[in-house]
Amino acid sequence: EPEVTQTPSHQVTQMGQEVILRCVPISNHLYFYWYRQILGQKVEFLVSFYNNEISEKSEIFDDQFSVERPDGSNFTLKIRSTKLEDSAMYFCASMKGFSGANVLTFGAGSRLTVL
Amino acid sequence: KQEVTQIPAALSVPEGENLVLNCSFTDSAIYNLQWFRQDPGKGLTSLLLIQSSQREQTSGRLNASLDKSSGRSTLYIAASQPGDSATYLCAVEAGGTSYGKLTFGQGTILTVHP
Repeated sequence: EPEVTQTPSHQVTQMGQEVILRCVPISNHLYFYWYRQILGQKVEFLVSFYNNEISEKSEIFDDQFSVERPDGSNFTLKIRSTKLEDSAMYFCASMKGFSGANVLTFGAGSRLTVL
Repeated sequence: KQEVTQIPAALSVPEGENLVLNCSFTDSAIYNLQWFRQDPGKGLTSLLLIQSSQREQTSGRLNASLDKSSGRSTLYIAASQPGDSATYLCAVEAGGTSYGKLTFGQGTILTVHP
């Protein structure tokens, strides 16, 4: 069964460093998302991406965050200058299209630890 | 702002028991509701999706119902097994121009012991 692949599975970084989290969505999917889950808290929407541009972003997704689809397969989340509070599990998801039953397929997540 | 709440926060049952997980949401203007399973260190696996026009969906031992007007959904698990142990998340999709934007509950941690 097709899956969403995320790398790295775990990254440890120093506060202030730039981090890039990578995702390979399912190949025929058109809509891409980043969610995050701080330990012990709810899964939160960060951003949606379609047709090479951001469709919607949450208030969490400030100027420190950016997303990119640099080629036909990868979808990246960049955090420009990490803060302690950015420590979380980051999930990438993709969706084929709008059919009434919009099932998102999630990746296994990238755990980011900021020291 | 949509808020999703799940009750109970944790549940421990013996194998074979039937159980119900509850989810409530504050804004009934949803496009659909999904139940996910999350295993430790793993991603989110979609279990069932109920469109706003539907009342329930079934998959194997799982049955999910939706009462949109009252802002409630339940996930019924029949004949529970130790392999069902996981965190179960409820999420609603707003629709409109926000396709794929899900608002999650905090989850119910289920433990099924042999």
